[in-house]
Amino acid sequence: QKEVEQNSGPLSVPEGAIASLNCTYSDRGSQSFFWYRQYSGKSPELIMFIYSNGDKEDGRFTAQLNKASQYVSLLIRDSQPSDSATYLCAADGGYQKVTFGTGTKLQVIP
Amino acid sequence: SQTIHQWPATLVQPVGSPLSLECTVEGTSNPNLYWYRQAAGRGLQLLFYSVGIGQISSEVPQNLSASRPQDRQFILSSKKLLLSDSGFYLCAWSLGTGGVGGTEAFFGQGTRLTVV
Repeated sequence: QKEVEQNSGPLSVPEGAIASLNCTYSDRGSQSFFWYRQYSGKSPELIMFIYSNGDKEDGRFTAQLNKASQYVSLLIRDSQPSDSATYLCAADGGYQKVTFGTGTKLQVIP
Repeated sequence: SQTIHQWPATLVQPVGSPLSLECTVEGTSNPNLYWYRQAAGRGLQLLFYSVGIGQISSEVPQNLSASRPQDRQFILSSKKLLLSDSGFYLCAWSLGTGGVGGTEAFFGQGTRLTVV
């Protein structure tokens, strides 16, 4: 069974610090990886996607992919209280399906 | 631009009653459509996905069913709800063009279903 695993947290970081969120996946055939942010009671919203090994930066967010280790991460620089949410990692699972992890809850402490 | 509409936002239904949740997408053609369920404190569970009209794939056997009567319409149904059907139901679409970057999913606002 194809799986995406994340630590459920909560991960607590002080305001202004770097938050590091991690994810591993089991399907070596996955090509694209996604990070979604989900505020409590709301639907997930796409933050970033990555498909090449290495880093991809977008503002305060950096996604990192290591296909050899089957590892994806999301770094949030200068964390703000508004970043407090659950972050879902997802991987494409072939046949047009995306498999989601259970999410990591991030708490940014003012 | 593409938009996705899902309704209702909240729903309280008695055990044994039927269910119909509807989702429509605008601004794109032949999208892949998905129904997910998120139980309290849990991850997203893929229930059904569809790559075209009348084409439905079920991921989890249960008392739910899905239909796609039109290209941009996806319906989740049940004949008799169970208490365990309570949760946050999310409809999503993707282009599904294949290859990298083509399968990111965009979600509707969700329906919070409580079965009592």
